[in-house]
Amino acid sequence: DGGITQSPKYLFRKEGQNVTLSCEQNLNHDAMYWYRQDPGQGLRLIYYSQIVNDFQKGDIAEGYSVSREKKESFPLTVTSAQKNPTAFYLCASSKPGWAAETQYFGPGTRLLVL
Amino acid sequence: GENVEQHPSTLSVQEGDSAVIKCTYSDSASNYFPWYKQELGKRPQLIIDIRSNVGEKKDQRIAVTLNKTAKHFSLHITETQPEDSAVYFCAASIEGYQKVTFGTGTKLQVIP
Repeated sequence: DGGITQSPKYLFRKEGQNVTLSCEQNLNHDAMYWYRQDPGQGLRLIYYSQIVNDFQKGDIAEGYSVSREKKESFPLTVTSAQKNPTAFYLCASSKPGWAAETQYFGPGTRLLVL
Repeated sequence: GENVEQHPSTLSVQEGDSAVIKCTYSDSASNYFPWYKQELGKRPQLIIDIRSNVGEKKDQRIAVTLNKTAKHFSLHITETQPEDSAVYFCAASIEGYQKVTFGTGTKLQVIP
């Protein structure tokens, strides 16, 4: 289970506030991902990054932003534009190659709105 | 884009019985199909995967089958045990691409 960490475990957001979720990995993986998990909806891709300084929108990117300044780090900001942010957020990483690779997940951050 | 449907959403079996979870995908270009298990309060972890050049893969009590023509794949768990209780996710992707599309999950309960 080690190698990819997320913090904090729980995060509370007030109305109109931006909050940032941390994701760090020491697996030397190039690719990193952010997913949102809601009951009955599986894992939905928010953003992904295949290499430093590059990232792509996933299926539900509206209201979120990311950066990838370091290989080890891929923080996710939930902006005030995201009107329904309450969810469980999972970060993942993989070692890309020509073949599809296993994704390794972090422990998750649960975001709650006050 | 790819769409993955997963059934059933919940499944209860008696300990020792078999469990089958089915997924269908829409993009015929998809050729990599992993299955992840998420125990309560824990992170998803890969339990088995299959690539489109094979029709079946086994790992002890777990097997996955793939029907490319029908665009569906299934997870089979035999001799279920209470520790198999978890949410299982199927997924589909294309080799060389990093985007993976997940199914909506199946909550498996194994009754002792």
